[in-house]
Amino acid sequence: DIQMTQSPSSLSASVGDRVTITCRASQNINNFLNWYQQKPEKAPYLLITAASTLQGGIPSRFSGSGSGTDFTLTINSLQPEDFATYYCQQSHSVPFTFGRGTMVEIK
Amino acid sequence: QVQLQESGPGLAKPSGTLSLTCSVSGGSIDNHYWSWIRQTPGRGLEWIGYISYGGTTNYNPSLKSRVIFSVDRPRNQFSLSLSPMTAADAALYYCARVIVVAPSFWYFDLWGRGALVAVSS
Repeated sequence: DIQMTQSPSSLSASVGDRVTITCRASQNINNFLNWYQQKPEKAPYLLITAASTLQGGIPSRFSGSGSGTDFTLTINSLQPEDFATYYCQQSHSVPFTFGRGTMVEIK
Repeated sequence: QVQLQESGPGLAKPSGTLSLTCSVSGGSIDNHYWSWIRQTPGRGLEWIGYISYGGTTNYNPSLKSRVIFSVDRPRNQFSLSLSPMTAADAALYYCARVIVVAPSFWYFDLWGRGALVAVSS
């Protein structure tokens, strides 16, 4: 199985901050990497596909980059509604696997 | 607007069988793949497998010997059966729609609200 390692596991930030979350795959997954946001008591919500393609309706302050084994999710000018847990997921090969998540908390 | 809703018992017995159903509303189950994903505090998000509208399946090897998916196109539903259940199977179970753009380019674009399953005798 491809292991997905996210860092940090949690971070504290203030409204307006720029936040960067990294995701590393245990082998080359090209750009077959998706990002999800999960808020408490809610299901994960798709943000970004293919490492950098923002889904419709997702604010442009979210961006993704990377290829191969190293990927980044960046949130520019963090907003109150962005406090959540973020997960990466690879679709390069089955079984599809997720990172353990990065919790973004209010400082 | 397509919505997914999981249903099934919230409690399963050790060594018993868990049966969950995902009902798809606002759209057809046809021409899509569908997945089950579970979440626990200890293991995080774990992909269980997928089933196509035509019944093609692919299971996570870690669960393959214990899981069976089925699809009911007239009812616009798909289901999961997991047996035998152990304490480690207690989790929040989600159903999700899978979008397949190209080989290796898959993602989960719609999720149900989740069904919490406990395991106890």
